[in-house]
Amino acid sequence: ETGVTQSPTHLIKTRGQQVTLRCSSQSGHNTVSWYQQALGQGPQFIFQYYREEENGRGNFPPRFSGLQFPNYSSELNVNALELDDSALYLCASSREGMNTEAFFGQGTRLTVV
Amino acid sequence: AQSVTQPDIHITVSEGASLELRCNYSYGATPYLFWYVQSPGQGLQLLLKYFSGDTLVQGIKGFEAEFKRSQSSFNLRKPSVHWSDAAEYFCAVGSYNQAGTALIFGKGTTLSVSS
Repeated sequence: ETGVTQSPTHLIKTRGQQVTLRCSSQSGHNTVSWYQQALGQGPQFIFQYYREEENGRGNFPPRFSGLQFPNYSSELNVNALELDDSALYLCASSREGMNTEAFFGQGTRLTVV
Repeated sequence: AQSVTQPDIHITVSEGASLELRCNYSYGATPYLFWYVQSPGQGLQLLLKYFSGDTLVQGIKGFEAEFKRSQSSFNLRKPSVHWSDAAEYFCAVGSYNQAGTALIFGKGTTLSVSS
């Protein structure tokens, strides 16, 4: 059983650019959530995808968007990057339903300069 | 609004000593509570979780946590700390829907272990 994998591991972007981060969910998991972890902070919930649709969103602007594919993998897109978008972006996958554990990937470290 | 507070930003414990990390939550209904650990440059690993039932839950690596509804707390404990326990610890409360869990995390507590 493969775990949650994220790509790339690190990247550097310029303010105003757009970025796409990718996540492959663990085998058998059909729900994917994305979190932003700024330096020295706890992860903050961005949104969740279930059955290829957004299913809940945290306090993030619309320039943060996502996709989920039929194989349950997911993308996080951020437009018009700002310096404050620099953070570790974590993807978590889980099975649907109650009492299910979320498994996290290693994250993508995004630096905006 | 749901929230999690971890009052201690940084704790240093001697190897072999006991450990308690504090967590307080604010949640309208019965909370689902979690403790995660994060080593530098790594993702999050689940230590333990509370959904219902026995208020003392056992986790991996010798950790346990006690849910106290009257105090809105879910403190993490370990009787004897090992140097490898040095890491960042996050308490989280989960809100559930059909799709699964969305987690609200505290700001974390950094644990240092001295020899």
